[in-house]
Amino acid sequence: DGGITQSPKYLFRKEGQNVTLSCEQNLNHDAMYWYRQDPGQGLRLIYYSQIVNDFQKGDIAEGYSVSREKKESFPLTVTSAQKNPTAFYLCASRRGQADEQYFGPGTRLTVT
Amino acid sequence: AQTVTQSQPEMSVQEAETVTLSCTYDTSENNYYLFWYKQPPSRQMILVIRQEAYKQQNATENRFSVNFQKAAKSFSLKISDSQLGDTAMYFCAFLSNAGGTSYGKLTFGQGTILTVHP
Repeated sequence: DGGITQSPKYLFRKEGQNVTLSCEQNLNHDAMYWYRQDPGQGLRLIYYSQIVNDFQKGDIAEGYSVSREKKESFPLTVTSAQKNPTAFYLCASRRGQADEQYFGPGTRLTVT
Repeated sequence: AQTVTQSQPEMSVQEAETVTLSCTYDTSENNYYLFWYKQPPSRQMILVIRQEAYKQQNATENRFSVNFQKAAKSFSLKISDSQLGDTAMYFCAFLSNAGGTSYGKLTFGQGTILTVHP
């Protein structure tokens, strides 16, 4: 089955620690995206990548980093510089410019 | 930059009734795409319907249809014969078809929580 996987579903970390969220897709999509969702708010774009070895900052990139070494994978690292990291994180991919984005199941990150 | 506004934080409807969710957007572009996504309690984002701005005909997917008013920059979602499984948060989203920094970026509204009552 083709799709997007995110692991783990729930993640707990202590303040001051970096943490990496996994996102893998086997849809052969070129573009991949990371969003953050907070209660009562819509999705906000953190980073996106249109092609391997290239990525751009979204609207709220501060405190986050990404890499795109393989087409299938787009991991997101939440660094200790992110002031309020507790949130629900969604990964998405898209085949072409006119196509909709397909979403993974999300990872709920809690930092205490 | 584009903005998407959903002015109804919460809506409720009785099973089998019809409900309309509102969405307005702001853009200077002429060619773009609009989407409605559904996020049920499982939090999985699911595409409900899409509309190309160059098409005058409103998109329809089974019980879901849109009223796309390009001049008014309005994109409402109508759900007919509401079912309990329609209970979810619904997001309106705008996709730019322009180049540059907006390329491929989806802009989401704040969402509307829809509850379908039996």
